Amino acid sequence: DVKVTQSSRYLVKRTGEKVFLECVQDMDHENMFWYRQDPGLGLRLIYFSYDVKMKEKGDIPEGYSVSREKKERFSLILESASTNQTSMYLCASSNGKWREGWNEQFFGPGTRLTVL
Amino acid sequence: KQEVTQIPAALSVPEGENLVLNCSFTDSAIYNLQWFRQDPGKGLTSLLLIQSSQREQTSGRLNASLDKSSGRSTLYIAASQPGDSATYLCAVNGGATNKLIFGTGTLLAVQP
Repeated sequence: DVKVTQSSRYLVKRTGEKVFLECVQDMDHENMFWYRQDPGLGLRLIYFSYDVKMKEKGDIPEGYSVSREKKERFSLILESASTNQTSMYLCASSNGKWREGWNEQFFGPGTRLTVL
Repeated sequence: KQEVTQIPAALSVPEGENLVLNCSFTDSAIYNLQWFRQDPGKGLTSLLLIQSSQREQTSGRLNASLDKSSGRSTLYIAASQPGDSATYLCAVNGGATNKLIFGTGTLLAVQP
């Protein structure tokens, strides 16, 4: 079974702090994704990566950056956390080629981030 | 711009009923469509993936169909159980954005 793990289930941070969210997958997938989920807005793509050290902006990249130094690990960084970044953050991975249609996406358990 | 709609937004049924969840999308140029379930406060669990060349996929009590030309997919759940209670999301991959676009979900409650 594909397993996607996220470093924390719950996280509370202060405004202005630098925040790291970690995601690890164990199925040698090329693609990894970061989404945020908010009531009434659904899931929105923040960033994705289709290979090591490669990244592409999603729909809402502002205020975030990412890092993919190893194939199995994809990190989401909030450079200076703000209260409007309080949300559920979901990581996912998949096989398949970007622009040729990704295959099935598998999600992690999510990190509930609260910024005070 | 691809838009994905799910109807109904919420559904409550007694245990044992068969039910259908609907998903419609505006751009038929998709690679595939995926159905997920999400329990409260949890991540998404993949249920079924249908490639654009397929008409349906089955897994246990679940059957998903795809009619690409009309921009519709349905998720059929047979003999529903209280453990099926969750939010069900469909997502399409492809179209002009080449990203996974999610619907707003159907909240299902199966009453014992």
